[in-house]
Formats: sequence, structure tokens, C-alpha cells
Amino acid sequence: GEDVEQSLFLSVREGDSSVINCTYTDSSSTYLYWYKQEPGAGLQLLTYIFSNMDMKQDQRLTVLLNKKDKHLSLRIADTQTGDSAIYFCAEGTQGNLIFGKGTKLSVKP
Amino acid sequence: ETGVTQSPTHLIKTRGQQVTLRCSSQSGHNTVSWYQQALGQGPQFIFQYYREEENGRGNFPPRFSGLQFPNYSSELNVNALELDDSALYLCASSLGGGQPRGEQYFGPGTRLTVT
Repeated sequence: GEDVEQSLFLSVREGDSSVINCTYTDSSSTYLYWYKQEPGAGLQLLTYIFSNMDMKQDQRLTVLLNKKDKHLSLRIADTQTGDSAIYFCAEGTQGNLIFGKGTKLSVKP
Repeated sequence: ETGVTQSPTHLIKTRGQQVTLRCSSQSGHNTVSWYQQALGQGPQFIFQYYREEENGRGNFPPRFSGLQFPNYSSELNVNALELDDSALYLCASSLGGGQPRGEQYFGPGTRLTVT
């Protein structure tokens, strides 16, 4: 079945770039998403990329998609302490999303 | 434009009871999806409602059921609650039913605890 995998933890220093990686299995995925979840809160849609794109940039966020390797990454430039959260990668085909387990990003001052 | 809202925010129930959770979709969105997020896990798709009908279902038993109303709001009902049903229940709204349209926006969730 479909599966999405992410590393569980990432720690960076304030001001550095963060790169969160994700692999997925469903080659028919139409959209790939990045969501952010802060403690006790719902999911905030950060950005998404259509499967026929290689890259999408949105302010400090850059998404790279390697469709051949089924690899997705999220780069956060100039990481701030407010970026500390859990980041979920998700793939979607027919409307329902399949999520990874999330990467907990810790930003040290 | 209002975002996705859910009620209640927290709920404590006893094993065997029934529960109803509610969701109001974002203005202009006609599709509602429900997800269960257990502690330390990613959300798992329960089902989706479009035009008041179930439009896709994940690997959840029939005691998980739902409704969608003409104003696109939705309810999630869970019968015969089990301890493993303790989780954060998230509702997401979007456009277009089963067709992928990009954006799914989530509400803040309902935290259900079953004792």
C-alpha cells in the first residue's frame, strides 16, 4: 500500500537552513504537501507542489521534488525559533491525504 | 472568509459510549474529510464527504460514520467507543470532491479521550 516516510527529528541553529526530507511510494500521487503542526494545534498548510513540477519557492520555503526517486524535500531558509514544530509530508491522489509520521524540528538559539 | 472550525475542543468519554464531533468547512469549500491522529503519529484518513454523500473511506470500521449537511458542515459519529479511539480528530475542507484540487485546510481538531 501507499507509504510516506520521514526522519523523526532534526535540530538546527537559529539562522541556519533546515532541510526536511520525505519519501513516498505512490507514483500516481497528484499533489505533495507540507504541513506544520505546533503543540496542541491542528495542521497548517505550508505549501504544496503539483507532481509535474520540480521545484516551488514561497518566501523562505523551497520544495524540491524528485519524481523518479519519489523524494520530496522542504528547505526553510533562515530558520527561526518560531519554526520549531512538527512537519508532515503528505501525498494525495483522489482527495484523501496519506501522511508521514512527522519530523520534529528543534531550533536552538 | 472563515476558516475550518471544530467542536468541541476536548471531550472525555467512557468505553462503550457514543460520540458526535462537528466541523464547519471553510467558506466556499464543498468537501469535508475526517482524519484521526493518534499521539506521535501522522493523521490517518477516515472518510470524505462530498455533496452529502460518503466519497471515499480509509481503513476504519463501520462504527465510524458521518454526515454532511446542505451547508457543507459535517459530523463524525463513533459508536461503541474503544480505548484506542483516544486521539485528535481533525477535519479538513477542500473543493471538488474526489478530484485533487491542491489545497486542504484543517481545523484545530477535537481531542477525544476514552477512559
